[in-house]
Amino acid sequence: KAGVTQTPRYLIKTRGQQVTLSCSPISGHRSVSWYQQTPGQGLQFLFEYFSETQRNKGNFPGRFSGRQFSNSRSEMNVSTLELGDSALYLCASSLAIGIDRDAEAFFGQGTRLTVV
Amino acid sequence: ELKVEQNPLFLSMQEGKNYTIYCNYSTTSDRLYWYRQDPGKSLESLFVLLSNGAVKQEGRLMASLDTKARLSTLHITAAVHDLSATYFCAVDRDSNYQLIWGAGTKLIIKP
Repeated sequence: KAGVTQTPRYLIKTRGQQVTLSCSPISGHRSVSWYQQTPGQGLQFLFEYFSETQRNKGNFPGRFSGRQFSNSRSEMNVSTLELGDSALYLCASSLAIGIDRDAEAFFGQGTRLTVV
Repeated sequence: ELKVEQNPLFLSMQEGKNYTIYCNYSTTSDRLYWYRQDPGKSLESLFVLLSNGAVKQEGRLMASLDTKARLSTLHITAAVHDLSATYFCAVDRDSNYQLIWGAGTKLIIKP
């Protein structure tokens, strides 16, 4: 069964530009979460979507946004890029049908964003 | 505010030895996760612990959870070089897939 797919894998953008990252979850998984990983701040939660609804949002500025489509695929957008946005962006998918044994979260390979 | 602390942050050990990584968290939580990350790679799920006293084992790794002490441990038995990686614990307080992460433990196992 296919895993979580993130595209693109690598991206170089200039300050002030915007970027859209994509995440296709494991088939049948309804929850998609996004995380930012940097050497300084570690792993930080961005937001989580379930059935096209954002259920939770981390402590990030409004420049960071996302959405989820009816097929559970998710995108995140960062506008007005800053140098500090350079990071590995990871998405995770979970079955999330309310049974604890389905709580496992599987991560994609990530998108490495470099802002210059 | 939920905080997750791992220790040690760095561990260098010889093959064949046993060691334990500790994960403390500050408030009551529903789920605790352990992940492995190799350099430049993504996160590989190791264990999900859901209840007090839960113990899970996979190969040379064993994880346990004590919700009363707000402590999880990842025990490595007879370490081998292939276990060299960074190990993260993460807590999902409200079962809402909002994981709060520890800083990670970089484990180096020398032949």
